[in-house]
Amino acid sequence: EAGVAQSPRYKIIEKRQSVAFWCNPISGHATLYWYQQILGQGPKLLIQFQNNGVVDDSQLPKDRFSAERLKGVDSTLKIQPAKLEDSAVYLCASSQRTGTGDSPLHFGNGTRLTVT
Amino acid sequence: GESVGLHLPTLSVQEGDNSIINCAYSNSASDYFIWYKQESGKGPQFIIDIRSNMDKRQGQRVTVLLNKTVKHLSLQIAATQPGDSAVYFCAEKGRSNYKLTFGKGTLLTVNP
Repeated sequence: EAGVAQSPRYKIIEKRQSVAFWCNPISGHATLYWYQQILGQGPKLLIQFQNNGVVDDSQLPKDRFSAERLKGVDSTLKIQPAKLEDSAVYLCASSQRTGTGDSPLHFGNGTRLTVT
Repeated sequence: GESVGLHLPTLSVQEGDNSIINCAYSNSASDYFIWYKQESGKGPQFIIDIRSNMDKRQGQRVTVLLNKTVKHLSLQIAATQPGDSAVYFCAEKGRSNYKLTFGKGTLLTVNP
């Protein structure tokens, strides 16, 4: 099966600019996640969708970050305006189930964002 | 040891040896655990998972052990190969929430 697709692979922007990332999950996966991974650390969950509804966005900096999954398939994550500390790899993942139905997350290769 | 900033715990082994990577998890209510492998420039890759009603699970060349008493998880890799060199993360999911939380990661280096 095709994996999780993300684009772009790399992005360099100046602080206060805006940026958007795109993710297409594995076909049939209802749950989609966006994680932020700062160099040398484990991924940190930003937002989790079940179909087109938000399950958890408690760690999303909502003053600057937004995400949507309008048709319950692909998703976009936006940062506006970007700060230097937003430099990180943004990982998208998908899984078949959520909640008490455990299934592993499958990750894309991420978008590496550099804010200068 | 504890990682600070950019410094990951590291493990260096010789090719062919067995590797053991350890992880201490924080939430006693966690009921699902996953080990991921992350190579440079790639996303985390699923290796093996285990539920809290088990204490051991085996895959191909890998074994995960779960000790709920001391909240400890380990990943054993048999006959380690150079292609196993990567950062390994454990992740836990709580019974009452949907969030998968990652640990700090361990850098495994396999010397030929």
